[in-house]
Amino acid sequence: EVHLVESGGGLVRPGGSLRLSCAASGFTFRTYWMTWVRQAPGKGLEWVANIGLDGSEKYYVDSAKGRFTISRDNAKNSLFLQMNSLRVEDTAVYYCATEGWLRKFDDWGQGTLVTVSS
Amino acid sequence: DIQLTQSPSSVSASVGDRVTITCRASQDIDTWLAWYQHKPGKAPKLLIYAASSLQGGVPSRFGGSGSGTVFTLTITSLQPEDFATYYCQQAKSFPPYTFGQGTKLEIK
Repeated sequence: EVHLVESGGGLVRPGGSLRLSCAASGFTFRTYWMTWVRQAPGKGLEWVANIGLDGSEKYYVDSAKGRFTISRDNAKNSLFLQMNSLRVEDTAVYYCATEGWLRKFDDWGQGTLVTVSS
Repeated sequence: DIQLTQSPSSVSASVGDRVTITCRASQDIDTWLAWYQHKPGKAPKLLIYAASSLQGGVPSRFGGSGSGTVFTLTITSLQPEDFATYYCQQAKSFPPYTFGQGTKLEIK
């Protein structure tokens, strides 16, 4: 059974940094693209970033470019999102998800809450 | 970016009802569309991919159709556990992948 567990969320001041982690198990991690999706309070789902099998391909939503960095460690079955220069509008629950065949987000974690506030 | 517009934004229905949610894309996305169910405090759940393919383990009362720019998610014979928010998502072009704004399905 696929299991994705996010961690690393918390309260941070505007301009601060946070590193989110996603621990994966129950599937062959290195054979899946991985993605981050977020949901701001009272808002809908927003795709943030994804990463290819070996980490060489990375894509971001415009609002994350230059501030967020997605990475992965296939040896440790882990996905990361380094978030710098955080803004109030980055406040959200952040989910990691597998990106399978036909670019569908098959399995999701429970999410980790990031709150950016002074 | 490809914009997705869902309608209605919210709908009230009763157990046993049939409900249809529409998702319109700002450009042709063939059948590169997925539907997700999301309940508060839970992980989103994939229901439908490639516009009409049912994800494994999802009840057959969920169905998807459409291609090009207009898509529908239909839930026949609503069950109590189906009350949630539903999102469409396009996978035709990234970055970015985009989601619709969501449709909240509430109990009447």
